[in-house]
Amino acid sequence: GAVVSQHPSWVICKSGTSVKIECRSLDFQATTMFWYRQFPKQSLMLMATSNEGSKATYEQGVEKDKFLINHASLTLSTLTVTSAHPEDSSFYICSASLKYGANYGYTFGSGTRLTVV
Amino acid sequence: DQQVKQNSPSLSVQEGRISILNCDYTNSMFDYFLWYKKYPAEGPTFLISISSIKDKNEDGRFTVFLNKSAKHLSLHIVPSQPGDSAVYFCAASAGHRDDKIIFGKGTRLHILP
Repeated sequence: GAVVSQHPSWVICKSGTSVKIECRSLDFQATTMFWYRQFPKQSLMLMATSNEGSKATYEQGVEKDKFLINHASLTLSTLTVTSAHPEDSSFYICSASLKYGANYGYTFGSGTRLTVV
Repeated sequence: DQQVKQNSPSLSVQEGRISILNCDYTNSMFDYFLWYKKYPAEGPTFLISISSIKDKNEDGRFTVFLNKSAKHLSLHIVPSQPGDSAVYFCAASAGHRDDKIIFGKGTRLHILP
């Protein structure tokens, strides 16, 4: 089946530093990937839609200069949390859409737990 | 404005019985709906989906029912098993496979022995 690999699975960083999270589609090409974040016991909130070869589309309230998204190839999208602060600590998850038969679904990465100290 | 609503934060069901998880949506443009299962610190796992042209889709122990007029869908799990204990998210999209999907807040399902 289609697999989305997300790396790292967890990271601890100091305030003010930047952290890059990678999301790779391993056995299929993903023209579109999505980035979500989840606070404890909350829903998955869509942050942005990442399109290969073009700028990402950010949801309302998400700072595009803080959460840099790059989708340089059909198999890789990256999310960089710049100048991280403790309030950026969260669980970040990427996903990619794929088609199977007449249906389509979204495969998710395993997530990245970011802790900013 | 919450477009996808799961009003029950938790649900407890006896093993072997039927689990029914409910979801309501407000956006009439949504025409594709998905259910995901999620464990803590892991990504969601796809369970089942349904297109708005159908009112029922079944896959093994999982059945999703869609009532378009009521903007309501439900996931039935029967029989419920201990491994079904997890958080279940309802999600919806406007139909294009590259369109974003919006999640509900989730329902935590506890299967009791």
